[in-house]
Amino acid sequence: GESVGLHLPTLSVQEGDNSIINCAYSNSASDYFIWYKQESGKGPQFIIDIRSNMDKRQGQRVTVLLNKTVKHLSLQIAATQPGDSAVYFCAENIGGAALIFGKGTTLSVSS
Amino acid sequence: DAGVIQSPRHEVTEMGQEVTLRCKPISGHNSLFWYRQTMMRGLELLIYFNNNVPIDDSGMPEDRFSAKMPNASFSTLKIQPSEPRDSAVYFCASSLAGDTEAFFGQGTRLTVV
Repeated sequence: GESVGLHLPTLSVQEGDNSIINCAYSNSASDYFIWYKQESGKGPQFIIDIRSNMDKRQGQRVTVLLNKTVKHLSLQIAATQPGDSAVYFCAENIGGAALIFGKGTTLSVSS
Repeated sequence: DAGVIQSPRHEVTEMGQEVTLRCKPISGHNSLFWYRQTMMRGLELLIYFNNNVPIDDSGMPEDRFSAKMPNASFSTLKIQPSEPRDSAVYFCASSLAGDTEAFFGQGTRLTVV
């Protein structure tokens, strides 16, 4: 079946570096995408979203890029901080149905 | 708003017992979702409701699982009888509509021994 997946299960960076977390999706009908952050013992927390009629969206220290040609989604975190250490999930939505999540990337930030 | 509220936070039960997980969505949200999270399978959608009506329950593992939403402010996920392989963290989430941001509760960690 079609699903959302991530390229790397773990990513380690130094404090202050920029982080890039990637996600590949296979369903070309997906029209809404979200990045979530999950800290230990907590539920997923919304970071940023993007709809399929856009290719870039910026938030505070975060940017999401969408490449529909190759079905690729990425999350860029600027000046990564220790508090950014968590598991990051991308999720896709098709036509207003429920979000389908990828497996997650664990980001570790060392100071 | 207090956000999505789930209870209990932790549940330990013996195999064969009935387990009921509870969820109060954010007021005004029309969609409610139940997810299960394990190391092996990640976050799996079990079922979701729109305006209290179940729309897609294809993710419910088997007949031992059932979910209800009797009104806009309450939903339950029941497992009867429970089995050790049901051990996981169960999340409830709600959103204004299906294609908008979903807000998650803190989850219920279920352990079946």
